[in-house]
Amino acid sequence: AQSVAQPEDQVNVAEGNPLTVKCTYSVSGNPYLFWYVQYPNRGLQFLLKYITGDNLVKGSYGFEAEFNKSQTSFHLKKPSALVSDSALYFCAVKEAAGNKLTFGGGTRVLVKP
Amino acid sequence: GAVVSQHPSWVICKSGTSVKIECRSLDFQATTMFWYRQFPKQSLMLMATSNEGSKATYEQGVEKDKFLINHASLTLSTLTVTSAHPEDSSFYICSATHGTEGETQYFGPGTRLLVL
Repeated sequence: AQSVAQPEDQVNVAEGNPLTVKCTYSVSGNPYLFWYVQYPNRGLQFLLKYITGDNLVKGSYGFEAEFNKSQTSFHLKKPSALVSDSALYFCAVKEAAGNKLTFGGGTRVLVKP
Repeated sequence: GAVVSQHPSWVICKSGTSVKIECRSLDFQATTMFWYRQFPKQSLMLMATSNEGSKATYEQGVEKDKFLINHASLTLSTLTVTSAHPEDSSFYICSATHGTEGETQYFGPGTRLLVL
């Protein structure tokens, strides 16, 4: 079985400060890891993914994430947060061989001016 | 590229009626489409996986006779909520995988259903 944990329900950060959203996962075999962002009453927008290769993955809107196999983590980061980054962020995982995506519970990010 | 649309974006219906939601991949052929349900302030729950031309695979606990899924073409999947009841009120989101990049799911904007 595969699972994802996002330990923080909400993250508050001041605009211009670094933003980190935590994610840990559990999966059999090699993981495919994803981050999505959701704005109110909208679907999910793809930010980035890790499949293989470099552990540091760069994605849309200045976001990046680091795959850490030993800690089974895939934390999302942005060096300087913007007010417009305020949204709901979902981490997701799937097994390499399957197509079923399992989502974490989501972390609400609030960036204050 | 990889744009997914849903129609309608919101719908209000009376209890006992059926509602059809369409999910379209606009600029790619989607070999697989997924239907999710999202309750307020909660994560996404996978309802079913559909492949073009074959029967959908439903997740445990999802009634296949209540949530009818049809994937008639490589760009269109439909979800019909039959005999809707207030407890079916939710945000329904579809996603699709691109044929040449099968691991990434691209999501539609969602459909909010309110059953009175």
